Amino acid sequence: ETGVTQTPRHLVMGMTNKKSLKCEQHLGHNAMYWYKQSAKKPLELMFVYNFKEQTENNSVPSRFSPECPNSSHLFLHLHTLQPEDSALYLCASSQDEEPGELFFGEGSRLTVL
Amino acid sequence: GQNIDQPTEMTATEGAIVQINCTYQTSGFNGLFWYQQHAGEAPTFLSYNVLDGLEEKGRFSSFLSRSKGYSYLLLKELQMKDSASYLCAVRDGDYKLSFGAGTTVTVRA
Repeated sequence: ETGVTQTPRHLVMGMTNKKSLKCEQHLGHNAMYWYKQSAKKPLELMFVYNFKEQTENNSVPSRFSPECPNSSHLFLHLHTLQPEDSALYLCASSQDEEPGELFFGEGSRLTVL
Repeated sequence: GQNIDQPTEMTATEGAIVQINCTYQTSGFNGLFWYQQHAGEAPTFLSYNVLDGLEEKGRFSSFLSRSKGYSYLLLKELQMKDSASYLCAVRDGDYKLSFGAGTTVTVRA
């Protein structure tokens, strides 16, 4: 039980599909993050939200669209993805935007066919 | 960008000691973190160093030398459950956090 819950855990989609990843944190944190984890590569920061406001977009293609309706929920909307987007997408939260300890969810394993 | 290097894989025997090195080159420094990630699970926080020296937490210890841009994570009395990926992460002068690619540790009986 990590305090950060991600759904779905696994997702297979075609390149023309639209799907969304959901993250919920039960820790009362103010900052939430999306990371991409590919095999043998460092975690790549995608987006940062602090108090529901996006504070960082790390040059992520527009086919990834984040949404943060409140401090506890974070979505990643996916549209017309490419096979190279197949990866583990990790959500994380921290008390504030200057991250001390990050609390991660277990990730959503995405496969794009 | 930031440059964080750590070995890709390490193998050790149950009960032994393993040392995972991490070297970094960043613009400024505001702390170094180690995370553990079991296959199919979330990364979990292990340790944090911001000053030079050794931080001990049970069987795990983490060392930092800021002048050398170097850290290591020491795992003692290895257990099978310690088989996992260990991620080094550095917070730079702008408080941006960058991760290494991770070191997969395999513990053999």
